[in-house]
Amino acid sequence: DAGITQSPRHKVTETGTPVTLRCHQTENHRYMYWYRQDPGHGLRLIHYSYGVKDTDKGEVSDGYSVSRSKTEDFLLTLESATSSQTSVYFCAINDRGPSSYNEQFFGPGTRLTVL
Amino acid sequence: DQQVKQNSPSLSVQEGRISILNCDYTNSMFDYFLWYKKYPAEGPTFLISISSIKDKNEDGRFTVFLNKSAKHLSLHIVPSQPGDSAVYFCAASASGNQFYFGTGTSLTVIP
Repeated sequence: DAGITQSPRHKVTETGTPVTLRCHQTENHRYMYWYRQDPGHGLRLIHYSYGVKDTDKGEVSDGYSVSRSKTEDFLLTLESATSSQTSVYFCAINDRGPSSYNEQFFGPGTRLTVL
Repeated sequence: DQQVKQNSPSLSVQEGRISILNCDYTNSMFDYFLWYKKYPAEGPTFLISISSIKDKNEDGRFTVFLNKSAKHLSLHIVPSQPGDSAVYFCAASASGNQFYFGTGTSLTVIP
C-alpha cells in the first residue's frame, strides 16, 4: 500500500470555524490531490499540487485553500466551514501527474461534519 | 454537469456468476479510463485501466471493455466472489486534464 495518511480521520465542527485537514505521504510523489466524496456526485477534485508551493484549482475549489510547504505534506483549509462542506475528504498522490496514464493512490479519508 | 455517469447505484449478483458494471461518459476528449474499488471506511484502490487506443483490457477476473462510439465502458468480474462486494467507481481523463469520477455502483455478491 502507498504510504498515505490523513489526519484527523473524523472531525465535527461548527459553522464558521476554520478547519485544516492534513495529508502526509512517504512515497516522495510529486503530485498530490484533494477530493471530496458526496452521495450522488462521486469524487470531485478540490485542489491539486504539482510540487512544493505549486497548486491549482479543481472543479469544486470555492471555499477551500491549500498549501504545500514540503513534498510530503498537503494541507486543505476551510477558512470558514459551512454545512455544505460536510463530506468525506480523500487525499491522493501519484508520481506523473493528472495528464499521465497512471492511477492515483488514495488515503483512508477524513469524515468532516459541519453543524 | 456530470461528465461520467454510473446509472446503476447498486447491483446484486450470486457468487460465481458474472458482475457487469456500466459507465457512460459525455466528453469525447476522454482518452484514459480507470476503475476503482472502495470498501467502507477506506480510500478507493485502483483496479484496472484502459486507454482509448484499446477496446479491451484484462487482468485476472477483471475485464474492462471500451466502446468509444457509444461513449460507454463496462467492467466484467468473472467469477464474482463475496470479497468483491464494494463500491466501484469509474473515472476518466483527457490528456492534460484532471480525472472525473462517476457516482459509484455498490456491488453485493451473495454467497
